[in-house]
Amino acid sequence: EAQVTQNPRYLITVTGKKLTVTCSQNMNHEYMSWYRQDPGLGLRQIYYSMNVEVTDKGDVPEGYKVSRKEKRNFPLILESPSPNQTSLYFCASRAGNTIYFGEGSWLTVV
Amino acid sequence: AQKITQTQPGMFVQEKEAVTLDCTYDTSDQSYGLFWYKQPSSGEMIFLIYQGSYDEQNATEGRYSLNFQKARKSANLVISASQLGDSAMYFCAMRVYNAGNMLTFGGGTRLMVKP
Repeated sequence: EAQVTQNPRYLITVTGKKLTVTCSQNMNHEYMSWYRQDPGLGLRQIYYSMNVEVTDKGDVPEGYKVSRKEKRNFPLILESPSPNQTSLYFCASRAGNTIYFGEGSWLTVV
Repeated sequence: AQKITQTQPGMFVQEKEAVTLDCTYDTSDQSYGLFWYKQPSSGEMIFLIYQGSYDEQNATEGRYSLNFQKARKSANLVISASQLGDSAMYFCAMRVYNAGNMLTFGGGTRLMVKP
C-alpha cells in the first residue's frame, strides 16, 4: 500500500528542546515536501526536496532544517523549537500530479 | 509567485442541497494544475479533484465538480447533494509546473452541513 508515514503523530515539547519529525515514503518518489498548517493560512511549504541530497527552502523555512540522505526519508528538524512553531505538520511526496500526504503531526511547543 | 484565495472562511449548507466553494488563483504561468482537498476533523488530507490548465472540460469526480473559468482565474468546487459527512475543511491548491514548490494552498473554507 502506498504510504507516507510521519512520526510522532502527537507531541508536546518544551521551548528549546531539539526534536525531529520523521517522514518516510514507500513509493520511491523523488519529490518530497514539508508543510505546516495554521488556522486561516492553509498549508504553507517549509522545505522541499527534488531528490537525494537536493533540498530547498519553501515559503516558511525559518527555524527548520531538513536532510535527504536517502530517497525514502525526509526528516524535519527543529533545532530549538519555539511556541510559534506550534502547528500541524504534513509531509508529502509526489509523482506527477498524484500527491500523497502523511497523516499529519500535531506539535505543541510550550 | 503564486497565490490562492478562498474568500469564504465558513459556510453552511442544508443536507441534500448543492454548494459552491470559491477559489481564485493568481499566476503568470500558463501551465499549472488546480486541486481540491478535504480535511475532516481527524486531520488527514483527502484528494478530491484535479483540473489542468489546458483541460477544456471541467473536471468531475462523483458528487464533486470543478467549475474552471480560466479567464477569471477561478476554480470553484461544486458539491452536489451535500451529505453530513461532507462537513470538513476544504482547501484549494495550485501547482505551477515549472516552479520548484509542490503546491500553494488557500486559507481554506469550513463547510458545515445541516441536517
